[in-house]
Amino acid sequence: RKEVEQDPGPFNVPEGATVAFNCTYSNSASQSFFWYRQDCRKEPKLLMSVYSSGNEDGRFTAQLNRASQYISLLIRDSKLSDSATYLCVVNRGTGGFKTIFGAGTRLFVKA
Amino acid sequence: NAGVTQTPKFQVLKTGQSMTLQCAQDMNHNSMYWYRQDPGMGLRLIYYSASEGTTDKGEVPNGYNVSRLNKREFSLRLESAAPSQTSVYFCASSEENSGGNIQYFGAGTRLSVL
Repeated sequence: RKEVEQDPGPFNVPEGATVAFNCTYSNSASQSFFWYRQDCRKEPKLLMSVYSSGNEDGRFTAQLNRASQYISLLIRDSKLSDSATYLCVVNRGTGGFKTIFGAGTRLFVKA
Repeated sequence: NAGVTQTPKFQVLKTGQSMTLQCAQDMNHNSMYWYRQDPGMGLRLIYYSASEGTTDKGEVPNGYNVSRLNKREFSLRLESAAPSQTSVYFCASSEENSGGNIQYFGAGTRLSVL
């Protein structure tokens, strides 16, 4: 079993739709959590951190459930420009070498 | 602000050839990393350097060597390339803050080994 698991997708949604991505992690000692975005043939870039209380950045909402070891990302009012792969990322502890990247969920937003 | 710069962007090698991937960051980060990304596998850590003068193996180090030349530069060397090393390689550097470890990536090197 992978330490960080995501539905690979692809998710195909129309513009304006709401789409949710889920991620589970297996190491209960994990300390910090992120969503990264990776455009086709580009490098991953930080989209947002995920806090225990949940956090929002414009159309994006991230949630963390430590008891269930589950992270989610909600995108409201999808835009064509949201088409990308979304990576769930978990830090098992202090130090970047303890960072685990999920394989990503691919999103296609269509007009 | 350049961030993390990798060269080359593309490379084709024959089995057994050697090459070095170069990486430099201008964010004054202590930690640097080399990853490979294969379809369906996610990013896998090859080697990392927590600070200038130190390097450590990651999840998939076999067939690779690294050098942390100074705080800015971290290179990855393939001594004898194999088809299994066909992949996209990313260099990253990171900062650690109260929110955790955030990594910044270079644009990647697409390597094909024939």
